[in-house]
Amino acid sequence: DTAVSQTPKYLVTQMGNDKSIKCEQNLGHDTMYWYKQDSKKFLKIMFSYNNKELIINETVPNRFSPKSPDKAHLNLHINSLELGDSAVYFCASSQRGGGQETQYFGPGTRLLVL
Amino acid sequence: RKEVEQDPGPFNVPEGATVAFNCTYSNSASQSFFWYRQDCRKEPKLLMSVYSSGNEDGRFTAQLNRASQYISLLIRDSKLSDSATYLCVVNTGFQKLVFGTGTRLLVSP
Repeated sequence: DTAVSQTPKYLVTQMGNDKSIKCEQNLGHDTMYWYKQDSKKFLKIMFSYNNKELIINETVPNRFSPKSPDKAHLNLHINSLELGDSAVYFCASSQRGGGQETQYFGPGTRLLVL
Repeated sequence: RKEVEQDPGPFNVPEGATVAFNCTYSNSASQSFFWYRQDCRKEPKLLMSVYSSGNEDGRFTAQLNRASQYISLLIRDSKLSDSATYLCVVNTGFQKLVFGTGTRLLVSP
């Protein structure tokens, strides 16, 4: 009954490969996010979607392409993986409100690029 | 300068101690403020929102000073289970959350 789920939990791959991470939320929220947490534990937003529409797109390389087939899903595809992409990727969701809305995070996907 | 700055710690305190964390933010247009907690190898979870008038939730008290762009978290009567990283978080608009790097707390018996 996980509210925000991500697959896979762990991903080990070679440089240059293409990989996808999937995220699903069953909270009925209208907004979903992708965050990256690097080795220094700094958590930074990458993208957010509201009702399948891209709202936030931080300065992320265009090798990263999010896709939201419906408002309960937000997937992240990464092309031509680089060593620096190694990090923990968190998906999150919230319901748009007056600014005090809580973001609920998934358990994270630990990506290691060799 | 980072948008949200915190002392990374670690803060090592004995059980029962009172500990305070501080945070400053650079965007004066920031709209709302939070403390999140992150346990080792887990996802961040909301601890509490921070309101202008200050607010308390059990042993936790949060304060906001908009003029100084300063947020604080006070934990009273620390428990072993409080050991975690505490993330100061600022909503800069359009639901964009900016996270501090976190302050690590270790509570020892």
